[in-house]
Amino acid sequence: EVQLVESGGGLVQPGGSLRLSCSASGFTFSYYAMHWVRQAPGKGLEYVSAISSNGDNTYYADSVKGRFTISRDNSKNTLYLQISSLRVEDTAVYYCVKDRGSYYFDYWGQGTLVTVSS
Amino acid sequence: DIQMTQSPSTLSASVGDRVTITCRASQSISNWLAWYQQKPGKAPKLLIYDASSLESGVPSRFSGSGSGTEFTLTVSSLQPDDFATYYCQQYDSYLLTFGGGTKVEIK
Repeated sequence: EVQLVESGGGLVQPGGSLRLSCSASGFTFSYYAMHWVRQAPGKGLEYVSAISSNGDNTYYADSVKGRFTISRDNSKNTLYLQISSLRVEDTAVYYCVKDRGSYYFDYWGQGTLVTVSS
Repeated sequence: DIQMTQSPSTLSASVGDRVTITCRASQSISNWLAWYQQKPGKAPKLLIYDASSLESGVPSRFSGSGSGTEFTLTVSSLQPDDFATYYCQQYDSYLLTFGGGTKVEIK
């Protein structure tokens, strides 16, 4: 059974940083691209970032470019999102998402809430 | 970026109704479109991919159609478990984008 378990969310002040982690199991992690998608409270889904299966290629939405860094450790079956220079508008549930192989998403984690507030 | 526009944003319907949700792309995306269902407090769930392919385990009352710029998700006979928010997502461009969502409410 595929499982994606996020951790690392919490309350942080504007300008602060956090590192989100996603522990993956139930599939060969190193074979698949992985993504982060976020959802602000009461709002829709927003695509955030992607990383290729071997970690060589990354992508960021314009709204987070230069502030967020996606990475992965295939030896630990873990995906990361380093989020820095946080803004109030970054407040959201952050989902770790598995790519089917064609840039749509077949498995989602339960999400981790990041709250940016002073 | 490719913009995805869903309509309506909210839909009131009754159990047994046939329901159709539309998703329009700002440029042609061929058939590179997925649909997801999200219930409150839960992660989204994949329903349809490649515009019309039903994900394994998804009831056959769900169907998708369209190509190019206009797509539809249809629920042939709405069931109590189907009241949720639905999102489309394009993957024609690596700049992946979602529609704004359609909330299906009980009439």
